Amino acid sequence: GAVVSQHPSWVICKSGTSVKIECRSLDFQATTMFWYRQFPKQSLMLMATSNEGSKATYEQGVEKDKFLINHASLTLSTLTVTSAHPEDSSFYICSRATSTDTQYFGPGTRLTVL
Amino acid sequence: AQSVTQPDIHITVSEGASLELRCNYSYGATPYLFWYVQSPGQGLQLLLKYFSGDTLVQGIKGFEAEFKRSQSSFNLRKPSVHWSDAAEYFCAVETSGTYKYIFGTGTRLKVLA
Repeated sequence: GAVVSQHPSWVICKSGTSVKIECRSLDFQATTMFWYRQFPKQSLMLMATSNEGSKATYEQGVEKDKFLINHASLTLSTLTVTSAHPEDSSFYICSRATSTDTQYFGPGTRLTVL
Repeated sequence: AQSVTQPDIHITVSEGASLELRCNYSYGATPYLFWYVQSPGQGLQLLLKYFSGDTLVQGIKGFEAEFKRSQSSFNLRKPSVHWSDAAEYFCAVETSGTYKYIFGTGTRLKVLA
């Protein structure tokens, strides 16, 4: 069964609004989770590492003020896309790490900004 | 810089035929290597992984992959493809201990009945 869930699975919003995406670890307390972005027909790009109880670590080129990450508990990390614009439309995927360097991925959230 | 190349964007095979998906990586040392499969509406599922040891690794769903250091490759194989194998396949590398994956661009597999 799924070990990582995401909510919502898809969302449509108007330009200028903010959208929050939730990522839950269902079977394990996760001190570290990851957020990826996948463009159509392209690969997954790591956006940031979400650390429980501390600030997220963003990859180079990712706007931390645009993509706010909160990891307030050991089972929940959230990604908020602030003041969304059409270019933020994408497929956002989260994952949690295991002690064996393996990641389990959520099913993804499709964001469409009109 | 590390990179992962999957040369084949699309592959079409007939059901029952054998399959090989190519993956080449660029990294100074031996990285951790993974193959994931992505189906619509589902998260990426781990097929197999290589950290060290035997260079031929067995995974789920009848898949296997072989690590070849001399060719910097980690190709995925399956002797007989099933229609349910149609999906997108991603090769990924990780610098040991960092948990940070670099993914290839993926190979979309189509299976003909």
